Amino acid sequence: KAGVTQTPRYLIKTRGQQVTLSCSPISGHRSVSWYQQTPGQGLQFLFEYFSETQRNKGNFPGRFSGRQFSNSRSEMNVSTLELGDSALYLCASSLGWTTNNEQFFGPGTRLTVL
Amino acid sequence: DAKTTQPPSMDCAEGRAANLPCNHSTISGNEYVYWYRQIHSQGPQYIIHGLKNNETNEMASLIITEDRKSSTLILPHATLRDTAVYYCIVSLEYNFNKFYFGSGTKLNVKP
Repeated sequence: KAGVTQTPRYLIKTRGQQVTLSCSPISGHRSVSWYQQTPGQGLQFLFEYFSETQRNKGNFPGRFSGRQFSNSRSEMNVSTLELGDSALYLCASSLGWTTNNEQFFGPGTRLTVL
Repeated sequence: DAKTTQPPSMDCAEGRAANLPCNHSTISGNEYVYWYRQIHSQGPQYIIHGLKNNETNEMASLIITEDRKSSTLILPHATLRDTAVYYCIVSLEYNFNKFYFGSGTKLNVKP
């Protein structure tokens, strides 16, 4: 069974631009969560999608948004990029329809904002 | 916010057991304890989780104290590949995959 895949793996953008990251969950998984990891703040929860609906949200500004498609693939978008958005963005998938499912993480997308 | 406290780093000799502690003194009755590890900026990897009873799988054992205010992850025979940051996470039963990661413990396994 293929694992969680994220594209692209590396991305360089400049301030003010926007970016879209993609996550394909494990087949059969309906929940996708997104996390941001920086050296200063560590791993922080962004949001979680289940059956195309945002079910959970962390404390990030509205510039960070996401969506989920009917095949459970998810995208996250960051608009008006700031230098502080440079981070490793991780997505995780799980079955999502029962509690306390194990989350499987992808390799991440390394975003650098110049 | 993270509800756990872990030592920032620990050393362990290869082949010996690694015992990683975690304090979660404010844990509530329906919160589970999860352990993940992250090797060199890869995605975190699930290790084990539990509610009240001790748990064991092919990777590790999880020992939860009777009052549930602390737990210990045990890697029975640490190898160099176990060098990683280990995260202890407390999660509500119906938290729907919303994890708050703390700073974790950097485990250094030395030959």
